[in-house]
Amino acid sequence: KAGVTQTPRYLIKTRGQQVTLSCSPISGHRSVSWYQQTPGQGLQFLFEYFSETQRNKGNFPGRFSGRQFSNSRSEMNVSTLELGDSALYLCASSPGLAGSGTDTQYFGPGTRLTVL
Amino acid sequence: QQQVKQSPQSLIVQKGGIPIINCAYENTAFDYFPWYQQFPGKGPALLIAIRPDVSEKKEGRFTISFNKSAKQFSLHIMDSQPGDSATYFCAARKNNAGNMLTFGGGTRLMVKP
Repeated sequence: KAGVTQTPRYLIKTRGQQVTLSCSPISGHRSVSWYQQTPGQGLQFLFEYFSETQRNKGNFPGRFSGRQFSNSRSEMNVSTLELGDSALYLCASSPGLAGSGTDTQYFGPGTRLTVL
Repeated sequence: QQQVKQSPQSLIVQKGGIPIINCAYENTAFDYFPWYQQFPGKGPALLIAIRPDVSEKKEGRFTISFNKSAKQFSLHIMDSQPGDSATYFCAARKNNAGNMLTFGGGTRLMVKP
């Protein structure tokens, strides 16, 4: 089975621009979560989608948004980019919701975003 | 507020040694505690996970010890190898909070040949 795929792998943007990152979960997985990883703040949860609905949201400003499509693929968008948004953005997929016996989250390789 | 505290930040051991990484949490709503391993340029990969009703779990060379009363858990790597050199993250998930994980700060492990 193919793993979680994220595109693009690397991205360079300038301040004020917006960016869209894409995640394709493992086939059959319906839950997709997004995380931001930085050297200073570590791994921080952004949001989770299940069946096209946002189930949880982390403590990030409204510039960060996401969505999930009917095929479980997900996108996240960051508008009005700031220098501090430079990070590795990770997507993780799970078969279902936690507590349903499908706990394991599988992470993709991430998208490295650099904001200049 | 850091809800999951991980120590040490970095660790160097000789091949065959047993590195131990510790994590502590405050929120008793956490009910699932996974450990992830991350190599440079890769996403985190699940190593092993434990729930509070179990005090120890072993999978291959990796063992989690869990102390519910102290709200602490730790990862032990038996017979460590240079290939184990990576960054290790503990994490915790609350019940009724979906798949949202709260991560510790990470431990960079180096195993010397």
